[in-house]
Amino acid sequence: AQSVTQLGSHVSVSEGALVLLRCNYSSSVPPYLFWYVQYPNQGLQLLLKYTTGATLVKGINGFEAEFKKSETSFHLTKPSAHMSDAAEYFCAVSENQAGTALIFGKGTTLSVSS
Amino acid sequence: DVKVTQSSRYLVKRTGEKVFLECVQDMDHENMFWYRQDPGLGLRLIYFSYDVKMKEKGDIPEGYSVSREKKERFSLILESASTNQTSMYLCASSPTSGRSGLEQYFGPGTRLTVT
Repeated sequence: AQSVTQLGSHVSVSEGALVLLRCNYSSSVPPYLFWYVQYPNQGLQLLLKYTTGATLVKGINGFEAEFKKSETSFHLTKPSAHMSDAAEYFCAVSENQAGTALIFGKGTTLSVSS
Repeated sequence: DVKVTQSSRYLVKRTGEKVFLECVQDMDHENMFWYRQDPGLGLRLIYFSYDVKMKEKGDIPEGYSVSREKKERFSLILESASTNQTSMYLCASSPTSGRSGLEQYFGPGTRLTVT
């Protein structure tokens, strides 16, 4: 069965600092991997996704993530945090063949201080 | 742009009431999903549908049912609302055919309070 673990339910950084949000997954087949962001009182918005090909994936708002099969990880990074990055972030995994819906991690709340 | 709309942003219902949450998508997606979101628990799948009149149970279907009579519309029904169903409900749709799960597009959510 697939699963997703997000390490750290809360992460706090200063404006301009590196953002690193950790995600590890388990999957018996090559996975599709996603990061979503949720701003207060809104739905989820796709930041980036990995399906096949290049393992370093660039997304919106300056975020990127690297698929590391050997570590079963898909960590999200941004070189310099902005106040507007404060939100909840969800990592998700899906089988790339007939299966069910996305499996989500429990989320990481990012706080950015000035 | 893909648009997923939900009938209400905020809803307050009494215990025992029958509650309908409606979701409509405008991009002809085959797959539609209902999740509930609770603090510390992330998103949990209630039901999903990969075609009209087709449905499959997710991880937490108890106390819920769904209806998909038209491709664009997916309804979540709480047969007899209870206080432990107070939550944020999120609808999503996916542009894939068949049952594989790929990128999903989310609605804004309905925050349901059952008193």
